[in-house]
Amino acid sequence: DIQLTQSPSSLSASVGDRVTVTCRASQSITNYLNWYQQRPGKAPELLIYAASSLHSEVPSRFSGSGSGTDFTLTINSLQPEDFATYYCQQSYSTPYTFGQGTKLEIK
Amino acid sequence: QVQLVQSGAELKKPGASVKVSCEASGYTLTNYYIHWVRQAPGQGLEWMGVVNPSDGSTTYSQKFQGRVTMTSDTSTSTVYMQLTSLRVQDTAVYYCARRERSFYYDTNGGYGYYYYMDVWGTGTTVTVS
Repeated sequence: DIQLTQSPSSLSASVGDRVTVTCRASQSITNYLNWYQQRPGKAPELLIYAASSLHSEVPSRFSGSGSGTDFTLTINSLQPEDFATYYCQQSYSTPYTFGQGTKLEIK
Repeated sequence: QVQLVQSGAELKKPGASVKVSCEASGYTLTNYYIHWVRQAPGQGLEWMGVVNPSDGSTTYSQKFQGRVTMTSDTSTSTVYMQLTSLRVQDTAVYYCARRERSFYYDTNGGYGYYYYMDVWGTGTTVTVS
């Protein structure tokens, strides 16, 4: 199975800050990497697919980059609604594994 | 609009089985695969498997092989996930999610699809106690 390791596991930031979350795969997954946001008590929501493609209606302050084994999710100018948990997920091969999550909290 | 509405919460005894439903609306069920993902309390997301409602074919995580069955009923646009021999550790919120795909053609002449979960269900809490 492909392991995904996210860092950091938690992060404190303020409204207006720029934050970066990283996701490292245990083997190359080319661009088969997706990012999801999950707010407390809610289902996950797709943010980015294929490492860098923004899903429809997702604000442009979210961006993704990377290929191979190293990927990043960047959020520019944090808004109050962005404080949530973020997960990366690989769709290169089954089982489709997720990272352990990064909880973004208000400083 | 596109929606996946799941069945209500379940309370089960260890050793029992549970069957969770996921009703699709706003699109044609057979045009998209459906994934099942679970989340134990305070934990991350865990992929369980995927079903193709068009022909019933499935791919399961090895972790659940032998205990999970994913089926579909196209007449009611509903997908089901049954988990047997329940354990306390199966206590979780279970989500269905639609598999979308995006075609790509790269500069080396290769092509294929990127896969991602674009619509998620409402979630079903299963408690085993």
